[in-house]
Amino acid sequence: GAVVSQHPSRVICKSGTSVKIECRSLDFQATTMFWYRQFPKKSLMLMATSNEGSKATYEQGVEKDKFLINHASLTLSTLTVTSAHPEDSSFYICSASNRDTSNSPLHFGNGTRLTVT
Amino acid sequence: AQKITQTQPGMFVQEKEAVTLDCTYDTSDPSYGLFWYKQPSSGEMIFLIYQGSYDQQNATEGRYSLNFQKARKSANLVISASQLGDSAMYFCAMREAQAGTALIFGKGTTLSVSS
Repeated sequence: GAVVSQHPSRVICKSGTSVKIECRSLDFQATTMFWYRQFPKKSLMLMATSNEGSKATYEQGVEKDKFLINHASLTLSTLTVTSAHPEDSSFYICSASNRDTSNSPLHFGNGTRLTVT
Repeated sequence: AQKITQTQPGMFVQEKEAVTLDCTYDTSDPSYGLFWYKQPSSGEMIFLIYQGSYDQQNATEGRYSLNFQKARKSANLVISASQLGDSAMYFCAMREAQAGTALIFGKGTTLSVSS
């Protein structure tokens, strides 16, 4: 149980274009989803917390106009990288929990490797 | 201040030996959870083990055990009988009690298991 599906797994796009990444909880409802970014051999950095039906909460230093997050339903959150630049190339990974308590692990999607040329 | 500190960028161990990956944490919240995740080179995050702040006993899951020393704020992961497939990056993470809080990760430790 507690499966999170993330698509696409890899995407290559040209500078200036936008890319949408989907994150779905397949067998549970997730009122809260989280988006992380990871550079090679580095830690996962929290970008934003996505709440169903409300605006996402972004971490300090994350541009909300560049990284648009929509949490339209209890099972789907999307991250759109707008006007992508090469420095946006990274590994993006979403996560969700079926319980919002400190003893609940987050379940992760398999990540999206974004390359901007 | 860092909430999760992993001081070992890389660790090397031989097959069948045990290895300890260090993790210390910092929080003023009396209620929190500590987690370890494994990330192979393919990138997926695999949940290994959990320890709650009020748990009296150290958590164990198969070959994984967590050496929880609350007073020292440490939550070291012990992997017994290492296998080649254990080679990966390992992250210690914490989730505080406030509802909807995310996991905060340490910098990770790369474990290499050799035959």
